[in-house]
Amino acid sequence: NAGVTQTPKFQVLKTGQSMTLQCAQDMNHNSMYWYRQDPGMGLRLIYYSASEGTTDKGEVPNGYNVSRLNKREFSLRLESAAPSQTSVYFCASSGRTGGDTQYFGPGTRLTVL
Amino acid sequence: GEDVEQSLFLSVREGDSSVINCTYTDSSSTYLYWYKQEPGAGLQLLTYIFSNMDMKQDQRLTVLLNKKDKHLSLRIADTQTGDSAIYLCAETGNAGNMLTFGGGTRLMVKP
Repeated sequence: NAGVTQTPKFQVLKTGQSMTLQCAQDMNHNSMYWYRQDPGMGLRLIYYSASEGTTDKGEVPNGYNVSRLNKREFSLRLESAAPSQTSVYFCASSGRTGGDTQYFGPGTRLTVL
Repeated sequence: GEDVEQSLFLSVREGDSSVINCTYTDSSSTYLYWYKQEPGAGLQLLTYIFSNMDMKQDQRLTVLLNKKDKHLSLRIADTQTGDSAIYLCAETGNAGNMLTFGGGTRLMVKP
């Protein structure tokens, strides 16, 4: 039982390049989330998916797109990376949205030059 | 929007108790969480408390909730060097779709 897994662990991009961050969970959770963590700012929600087939914007969605590929997988895409997107990205999952414990992946450290 | 605040840094000696504090503004908070984050790692759920509780104890961890003052604390008894990490407080409202996190408190435990 791996919980929440993320790939890659580290990535360096040049401004304007695109990439997709992958996330998978094996806990049969309905809800999945993408956060970014910047120094001293805690975690901020980018997008979430309450259930398979649905996605919604969080606090900081600009510059990102998401896909809930199936119940297990939730990907985050940067179409044209900017230095302001340098951050650590965390994926999480929970049984349901609203009041249910979220479990986090190990994170992806992204640097945009 | 709703806000969660924590002090940035706490230093204690090994064997002492640590108390990490958190304040929040969302009066509809239903669940409040404490997560631990070690360097280069993800977030590990330590404990959580439902808003109708005042206290929850789990081995060395004690969570106190003052709902009137919107103040949450995490007490770690007999703090060990392995407890050195960042501790993040988070809350979610009853119908909320997201966790709101504090900025984290870095706990340093000196031998």
